[in-house]
Amino acid sequence: EAGVTQFPSHSVIEKGQTVTLRCDPISGHDNLYWYRRVMGKEIKFLLHFVKESKQDESGMPNNRFLAERTGGTYSTLKVQPAELEDSGVYFCASSKRTPGPSGYTFGSGTRLTVV
Amino acid sequence: EDQVTQSPEALRLQEGESSSLNCSYTVSGLRGLFWYRQDPGKGPEFLFTLYSAGEEKEKERLKATLTKKESFLHITAPKPEDSATYLCAVQAARTSGSRLTFGEGTQLTVNP
Repeated sequence: EAGVTQFPSHSVIEKGQTVTLRCDPISGHDNLYWYRRVMGKEIKFLLHFVKESKQDESGMPNNRFLAERTGGTYSTLKVQPAELEDSGVYFCASSKRTPGPSGYTFGSGTRLTVV
Repeated sequence: EDQVTQSPEALRLQEGESSSLNCSYTVSGLRGLFWYRQDPGKGPEFLFTLYSAGEEKEKERLKATLTKKESFLHITAPKPEDSATYLCAVQAARTSGSRLTFGEGTQLTVNP
């Protein structure tokens, strides 16, 4: 089975620009999550989709972040406009059930650098 | 607010030298405690889920245990390929979804 795919793997943008991250979950996984790790900090929850609906978006830092999940398949996370503090590694994960007893399957992440 | 504290931050072992990693947690009603392994440039890889105090899970050289306040990841006779960052995370029973609260991780290096 193919894993969770994220792209790009790296992105370097200037402050004020827009960046869109994409996540393709494992086929058949209705649950999709976004997490972020800022340098020197722990991995933190951003939001959770069940199919195309946002189940929990309480971790989204502010309204510069917009997440969508088209047709319950892939998801995008847009940051507009990007700020320096948005730099970090953005992870996507998916699971078939919630809560998932086997944990989630994470993608390799997108490393975002805002300069 | 849920909290997870992992110690030590970094640990260096010689091949074959057994040790334990600690994960202390504070959560209002534990639904599950998860251990993940993360290699550089990769996402976290699931290892174990523990649900209640007294529970233990094993996989090769790793054994995870759980009490009401902490979890230990015991590594027996480690090999260099066990070098990675080990992450602990908790899931609270009150959350409607299944968000995880992570600790900062323990970076383990096993020297040959």
